[in-house]
Amino acid sequence: QQPVQSPQAVILREGEDAVINCSSSKALYSVHWYRQKHGEAPVFLMILLKGGEQKGHEKISASFNEKKQQSSLYLTASQLSYSGTYFCGTEIGGSYIPTFGRGTSLIVHP
Amino acid sequence: EAQVTQNPRYLITVTGKKLTVTCSQNMNHEYMSWYRQDPGLGLRQIYYSMNVEVTDKGDVPEGYKVSRKEKRNFPLILESPSPNQTSLYFCASKGGTTMVEQYFGPGTRLTVT
Repeated sequence: QQPVQSPQAVILREGEDAVINCSSSKALYSVHWYRQKHGEAPVFLMILLKGGEQKGHEKISASFNEKKQQSSLYLTASQLSYSGTYFCGTEIGGSYIPTFGRGTSLIVHP
Repeated sequence: EAQVTQNPRYLITVTGKKLTVTCSQNMNHEYMSWYRQDPGLGLRQIYYSMNVEVTDKGDVPEGYKVSRKEKRNFPLILESPSPNQTSLYFCASKGGTTMVEQYFGPGTRLTVT
């Protein structure tokens, strides 16, 4: 079952912050975040394992609330290069094979 | 260079004409997978393979076949393509059950008329 991502789209100006949410109806083992730039393949950003650990990737960080079965991706001081579609993938059994959500389109304007 | 390659990158075909999309990786990865990407639906898994001769259905396997005879190759076969299989297809691989990062190929855009 696909996780639910929100919002579907975000439009920002450079330097603004954004949050992308991902929720599941099932207990999760891991949450994966990928970014896909226009016309390119998805690229791995980070993984979060159950335990609520927050991980970071430069100015992009994420959290995982195991009890709520939710993860959030935080993009701080957005740059033009952050534009793209962000996918969360959720996984329940420890296989690290995620089921992806429908994606969130992020557009950063100058 | 470590990579996943797909061929062809673009394909236009007619309903019912069998086709194969090839996928190859040079990273000695055990796990390989096929996804289709459609507007508004995200990435949906078609089939995956945990190792040679081991394949399993993903979320949308109907109308597709795969094989894994060699570790590096994982072709996707459409025996009788239909217009609803018009999509962008991605192959991906990762190192195994304990590895987390999937590496995606460049994609194959398929149009079935």
